[in-house]
Amino acid sequence: DIQMTQSPSSLSASVGDRVTITCRASQGIGDDLAWLQQKPGEAPKSLIYGASSLQGGVPPKFSGGGSGTDFTLTISSLQPEDFAIYYCQQYHTYPFTFGPGTKVDI
Amino acid sequence: QVLLVESGGDLVKPGGSLRLSCAASGFRFSDYYMTWIRQAPGKGLEWISVINHHGNSPYYADSVRGRITTSRDNGKNSLYLQINSLRPEDTAVYYCGRGSAPPDYWGQGTLVTVSS
Repeated sequence: DIQMTQSPSSLSASVGDRVTITCRASQGIGDDLAWLQQKPGEAPKSLIYGASSLQGGVPPKFSGGGSGTDFTLTISSLQPEDFAIYYCQQYHTYPFTFGPGTKVDI
Repeated sequence: QVLLVESGGDLVKPGGSLRLSCAASGFRFSDYYMTWIRQAPGKGLEWISVINHHGNSPYYADSVRGRITTSRDNGKNSLYLQINSLRPEDTAVYYCGRGSAPPDYWGQGTLVTVSS
């Protein structure tokens, strides 16, 4: 199975900060990488697919980059509603594994 | 709008079985692969299964293979997850997702608790 790692596991930030989360795959996955957001008590929400393409309705303050094994998710200006856990997921090879998550809080 | 509603979660004893459902609306269900993932309390997301448009060739994660069966009824716009030989470690919220690579919409989940 492809193993996904994320760093940091958690971070503290302030409203207005620019934040970057890193995701690494144990082998090359091209750009078959998605990012999801999950707020406490809620279902996950898909943000990005294809490493850098925004899902419909997702604001452009979210951006993704990378290919191969190393990927990033950047939030350009944190707002209160952005405090959540962010997961990366590879969909290159079954099983489509998730990273362990990065918690973004104040 | 796209809506996915899971149901069927319950408290069951170890060794028991459960059938989860996911009712889809707001899109042409038969056009999409469908995915199941789960989340144990306080833990991360775990991908467990995908099924194609026609309902054949489902794929399962190793952690559940042999104990689960994913199926669908395109006439009823519904996705199903049959889980047998339930173990305490199967305790989780189970989510269905539209699509597979990757899913773009998720339901709100249904809670399965395995405990004696």
